[in-house]
Amino acid sequence: AQTVTQSQPEMSVQEAETVTLSCTYDTSESNYYLFWYKQPPSRQMILVIRQEAYKQQNATENRFSVNFQKAAKSFSLKISDSQLGDTAMYFCAFSDNNDMRFGAGTRLTVKP
Amino acid sequence: DAEITQSPRHKITETGRQVTLACHQTWNHNNMFWYRQDLGHGLRLIHYSYGVQDTNKGEVSDGYSVSRSNTEDLPLTLESAASSQTSVYFCASSGTSGIQDTQYFGPGTRLTVL
Repeated sequence: AQTVTQSQPEMSVQEAETVTLSCTYDTSESNYYLFWYKQPPSRQMILVIRQEAYKQQNATENRFSVNFQKAAKSFSLKISDSQLGDTAMYFCAFSDNNDMRFGAGTRLTVKP
Repeated sequence: DAEITQSPRHKITETGRQVTLACHQTWNHNNMFWYRQDLGHGLRLIHYSYGVQDTNKGEVSDGYSVSRSNTEDLPLTLESAASSQTSVYFCASSGTSGIQDTQYFGPGTRLTVL
């Protein structure tokens, strides 16, 4: 079965600085998708970024970018110019044809 | 605006009772999903549906059932609630790429089984 591991339960960063959240996964599939979802306090989960495994180019969305290392099965999220509104739980997720697996999450706090 | 709603938002029930959690989406998505969220586990997939009359088991389906009679709704039923099913339940929907597409989540239902 696929597994997703987030090794950093909690992280903090100063406003305007850059932070990187780690994620590793295990699969025998060659075609799959990876995601980072954000869950702000008491608010609904929303997609931050999505990466297709067959695309070598790393996905970016404004201040959010990923470092996708397929051979190492690593999918880290970099947040640049951190803002107070980035404070949230961040979940890494993996999906193949009929399964969706989430990591346990990283709680990120952005400090003023 | 399109949305996905869940009801009730909070529910307390007793062991052995049947409980149904509602999920309604106005995205007109074919694909709908149910997850549970427990501390230390992230989200785990319970059941999912790719369209009317279609249902599939996820990672933690034991003790849960779903049925899909229309595009908008996917109710989740706990046949005989157990304390181990105390959790926060999230419904989600997605577009044409199925489980691999971006999922849009509801606000969650906090269920307590006493």
